[in-house]
Parts: sequence; C-alpha cells; structure tokens
Amino acid sequence: DQQVKQNSPSLSVQEGRISILNCDYTNSMFDYFLWYKKYPAEGPTFLISISSIKDKNEDGRFTVFLNKSAKHLSLHIVPSQPGDSAVYFCAASRNTGNQFYFGTGTSLTVIP
Amino acid sequence: DAEITQSPRHKITETGRQVTLACHQTWNHNNMFWYRQDLGHGLRLIHYSYGVQDTNKGEVSDGYSVSRSNTEDLPLTLESAASSQTSVYFCASSANLGRPPYEQYFGPGTRLTVT
Repeated sequence: DQQVKQNSPSLSVQEGRISILNCDYTNSMFDYFLWYKKYPAEGPTFLISISSIKDKNEDGRFTVFLNKSAKHLSLHIVPSQPGDSAVYFCAASRNTGNQFYFGTGTSLTVIP
Repeated sequence: DAEITQSPRHKITETGRQVTLACHQTWNHNNMFWYRQDLGHGLRLIHYSYGVQDTNKGEVSDGYSVSRSNTEDLPLTLESAASSQTSVYFCASSANLGRPPYEQYFGPGTRLTVT
C-alpha cells in the first residue's frame, strides 16, 4: 500500500509563474520529508527537506510547506524556469531518517 | 570529488539467469540502499545496509539479495531473473549522522531488461 502519494502525474506551467507540486502521506509517524528532482537517464538529486517540527522551509526559489494535520506537503517553485522541467519525488521517513518511502512522482514541464 | 557509480548502465538478460548489479560510492557513507523505479510505483526500497556486514530487507526484497563486505560497495544480486524484475535500479548512499539532513545521494541508475 502506497504510504506516500503524489496524485498528479504531470503538471505544466508557464515560465515565470508558480509551480505547486503536492504530496500526501498516510502514516502519522513520518517526521521528516524530502523532495528530489530527477532528469531523464539520471539519478534523483536532493532538492529540499523539512522536519515535522516546522511548517515551512525555504531555499531560494524553492519552498516546502508541511500541514501535519492534513498529512500534506507541497513544493512551491517561484518563479518557474525551463530548467525546472523534471520529475519531482517526495519522500517521507520516520524516526531514524534512514529509510524513506517515496511517492510516485510528478512530471513538471515549464513552458518557455 | 566523491561520487556514487553503478555498473552496468544497461543490461539485458534472460529469464532464470543470475544477475549482479554493482554499486560503488566514495563518500565513505555508512548507509547504502537499492531501489527500483517502475511506472506508477515511484521508487521502492529493495534492500539496505547501515554498515559492513549489515543488510536489511526493504518492501520489495523477494528475489533479490545483497552483501556488504566493505564500506564502498553494495552489489545487488537477482538470484533467478524474472520478467517482473525488468526495471530501472538505483543505488543510493547517506551518512549516518543521527540528525538531519538525511539526504541520500543517488547513482545514475541501471536499466535492466529480462527477456
């Protein structure tokens, strides 16, 4: 059973606009969350993380929001750039932070 | 620069054959992981190791095995390849800091086709 879900397989956004990628989880024990970005024929690369003691974390154009009561997190990219076109995975971990459960991914296309 | 490499990058094998995928990291990380990526499933954990001589089963471990004889390598073996094991395989590693960040560093992947 999928414990981490990304219900939107794909998303298209105009360059310069905001991209919002969503992720839902079912296990209330998850306390650490990561977002990864993946280009074709490459391995995923780490993008941004958030601990359950926070509800927001920013890094440049990327912001992750966590709503623990709704078991929902989102990644905001502002402004979106064509180079952001990739598949984005969210991942969740409990306690140790060593074993992560990944979502199915959202393919983002940023249109110039 | 530290890195994590996988070999081969592409492999075609026949049903029933034993296959070993190599993973080598120069980060000196204690933790190493094997995932498979399939459409509709995302990344699923196969096996993982927290150090030399330590191995653990992940959520899709049936038909796979690993061994950890040193810090740098975690080879993944398919005992008797099946068509259901056609997938892209990713190796990853992370430091065991006991505190954030817990990010994992991924290799470039191995595309395995079982015919």
